[in-house]
This record gives sequence, structure tokens and C-alpha cells, in this order.
Amino acid sequence: RKEVEQDPGPFNVPEGATVAFNCTYSNSASQSFFWYRQDCRKEPKLLMSVYSSGNEDGRFTAQLNRASQYISLLIRDSKLSDSATYLCVVYNQGGKLIFGQGTELSVKP
Amino acid sequence: GAVVSQHPSRVICKSGTSVKIECRSLDFQATTMFWYRQFPKKSLMLMATSNEGSKATYEQGVEKDKFLINHASLTLSTLTVTSAHPEDSSFYICSARGVGPNTGELFFGEGSRLTVL
Repeated sequence: RKEVEQDPGPFNVPEGATVAFNCTYSNSASQSFFWYRQDCRKEPKLLMSVYSSGNEDGRFTAQLNRASQYISLLIRDSKLSDSATYLCVVYNQGGKLIFGQGTELSVKP
Repeated sequence: GAVVSQHPSRVICKSGTSVKIECRSLDFQATTMFWYRQFPKKSLMLMATSNEGSKATYEQGVEKDKFLINHASLTLSTLTVTSAHPEDSSFYICSARGVGPNTGELFFGEGSRLTVL
């Protein structure tokens, strides 16, 4: 089993749609969680950290469920510019950041 | 915010040659940097952890003699792909962990796309 697994993509949604990405992690000792965004042929960029209490940043909401070892990202009112690959990233006890395989999102007009 | 710069962004080389990629932290000191490799439509695979002043820690399956890492200063880590083969063609990305208010956030270089002919 992979240490971090994400929903397989791609997700193709119309503008204005709400889309949710899911991610599970296998190491219960994992300490920190992040969502990164990666545009084609570019480096990943931090979208948001994921806190135990859940957190929201504009149209983006991240949730963490430690009991189920599950992380989610919700994007409301999708924009064309949201099209990218979203990477679930887990900082494990060994001090390494482990990346999920990414979920590709394509927002269409 | 913290910035990590990587150079070169693109390199094309012949089989058998060696290629060096530099990763610099521009406005902070990074005692630890990470090197990742990414294949098309795949996720980032951690290759090694580069520690300033000591040997790099390689992930399982990564050849340390093939991918030489040097972290000689607090702002520079280099990855040298030795005796490159076409299968080494990939996108290589370095990163460094932020400090101070940015502790925990991982800042990435722009990536280096290597093509071995």
C-alpha cells in the first residue's frame, strides 16, 4: 500500500462547480499535512496546510480526519485558473515529505 | 517569502556525460534540502535528503554513485547525474524547508528538465 494515496483523476468540471479531492495516508504517526498545487511543467506550490480543526481559505476548504487517516480538499465555485494537479503531501515522523500521485483537475468554460 | 532557485532549468546532454544541477536558497539558510524526481504525469519521488556538511541520505533504490549530492554550504546543494543515460531523462526538483514563520513549509526550486540523448 502506498504511503499516500489520492483519488485517481482526472476531474473534469464546469466553471462554478464544487469539487472535492480525497487523500488517505497509511502512517498513523504522520505529523503534518498539506495540499500543493502543480501546474503543468512547473514546480509544486503550497496551496494550504491542513489543520486538525479544518481550515478554509477563500474558496478552498481542507479537512483532516486523523482517526480515518484521511484528508480532503474542497474547491467551491471553480475557476478556469483552478485547473492544475493537486498534490496531497504528508510530513511523516521520519522528517520526510511524501507526495501522493496527484489528482488532475480540469475546469471547463 | 522564502525562495529557492534551481539551475539550469533545462539541459540536454549526450549519453555518458555528467550533468550538475544547482539548488540555492536565496534568502534563508537551509541545513536540509531535498531532491525529487518526477516522471510525466507521476508524482514527485523523493530521491535523497541533502544535509549541509554531511553525507546525503538516499532513498531505497536510488543509486548514490549515480546521483551525487553535495551540500557544501547552507545555501547551496548540487545534484550531479553521472554517466547519464536516456532513462535518466526526467524533471528534477529540489526543495528546502522554510525557517521562522515559514517553518514546515517546503519551498521548491523551479525544476530542471534533463533530456539525455
